[in-house]
Amino acid sequence: EAGVTQFPSHSVIEKGQTVTLRCDPISGHDNLYWYRRVMGKEIKFLLHFVKESKQDESGMPNNRFLAERTGGTYSTLKVQPAELEDSGVYFCASSLGPSPSYEQYFGPGTRLTVT
Amino acid sequence: DQQVKQNSPSLSVQEGRISILNCDYTNSMFDYFLWYKKYPAEGPTFLISISSIKDKNEDGRFTVFLNKSAKHLSLHIVPSQPGDSAVYFCAASWYGQNFVFGPGTRLSVLP
Repeated sequence: EAGVTQFPSHSVIEKGQTVTLRCDPISGHDNLYWYRRVMGKEIKFLLHFVKESKQDESGMPNNRFLAERTGGTYSTLKVQPAELEDSGVYFCASSLGPSPSYEQYFGPGTRLTVT
Repeated sequence: DQQVKQNSPSLSVQEGRISILNCDYTNSMFDYFLWYKKYPAEGPTFLISISSIKDKNEDGRFTVFLNKSAKHLSLHIVPSQPGDSAVYFCAASWYGQNFVFGPGTRLSVLP
């Protein structure tokens, strides 16, 4: 069974540009999460989808971040316009059901560097 | 303000010895705790968890201890193996809310 995949693995963009990160969850997993780890610090929750609906987006830092999950399958996270402090590793995770009853499976992450 | 703290950014242990990774939390509402392990260029993988109704949970070489009064949990790895070298994240949640992670501790197991 394929795990959670993320694309791209690494993105380098200039301040002010737009970047879109993609996450493909494990097939059948209704729950999808986005996290971010900045500068080797803690992994911070960004938001949680249940199917195509945003269950919790309390961790989204500001309105420059837009997450979508059309059709309840893959998800995208767009940063527009990117700022220097957006640099970090963005992880996606998926689970069959709600946490913590169901394990979250993480993707390898997308390393975003804003210069 | 960090709700989940891992005050040791790194730890080195000799192969075969015990590794003890510590985690402290501030929110007394947390009722479920997890440890994740992360290798370079990979996402975190679930290792072991514990509910607040327990004070110990064991899975093979891995044991997690929870001290609710001290708001402290620890992960014991016995015996430590070189393949255990990774970054370990402590995470906590409450009432099914989303996870709050600590900053991680890098464990190096020396052969």
